[in-house]
Amino acid sequence: EDKVVQSPLSLVVHEGDTVTLNCSYEVTNFRSLLWYKQEKKAPTFLFMLTSSGIEKKSGRLSSILDKKELFSILNITATQTGDSAVYLCAVQEYGNKLVFGAGTILRVKS
Amino acid sequence: NAGVTQTPKFQVLKTGQSMTLQCAQDMNHEYMSWYRQDPGMGLRLIHYSVGAGITDQGEVPNGYNVSRSTTEDFPLRLLSAAPSQTSVYFCASSLDRGPSVEQYFGPGTRLTVT
Repeated sequence: EDKVVQSPLSLVVHEGDTVTLNCSYEVTNFRSLLWYKQEKKAPTFLFMLTSSGIEKKSGRLSSILDKKELFSILNITATQTGDSAVYLCAVQEYGNKLVFGAGTILRVKS
Repeated sequence: NAGVTQTPKFQVLKTGQSMTLQCAQDMNHEYMSWYRQDPGMGLRLIHYSVGAGITDQGEVPNGYNVSRSTTEDFPLRLLSAAPSQTSVYFCASSLDRGPSVEQYFGPGTRLTVT
């Protein structure tokens, strides 16, 4: 059975801290891995990763994929209260189906 | 472009009632899908479609029907609502080709079944 596991389930940090969110997966037909941010509405797209070892960056956020060890991490540096959200990891299979993890709830305290 | 639109935004049903959640996209996307999201869980795939006239089941299809008569629309029907179907429902769409494609999500429908 395909599965995506995220850790930790939740964490609380202070503004300025750096956080690392983890995502491991077991899927049959891997196509890509995606990270989404969700703030009480629809998920918004952050990154799509298809190749191992190539870091994607967007401002204070970055992510990398390891296809050999079947995991990805999402890093957020210098966290701000606006980073508080649920971060979802999903693996896209051929046929476009997405298998989601349960998400990591991040709360950034000022 | 409006992107992916969903109606209604909120709905309360009584057990046994039926209803249709509407989803439309104006990006000429071939692939459309429905997910449900429950507290503490990620999104789970209900049904999906790779083009007009073609639909298939996802991970949690029981109690739901779909049809795809046009490229733009992908309605989700609840035949006889049950409290277990209380959830937030998201529709998504994407192109169905290329090495990797991004999915675009609608704003969601919050459904409560009493």
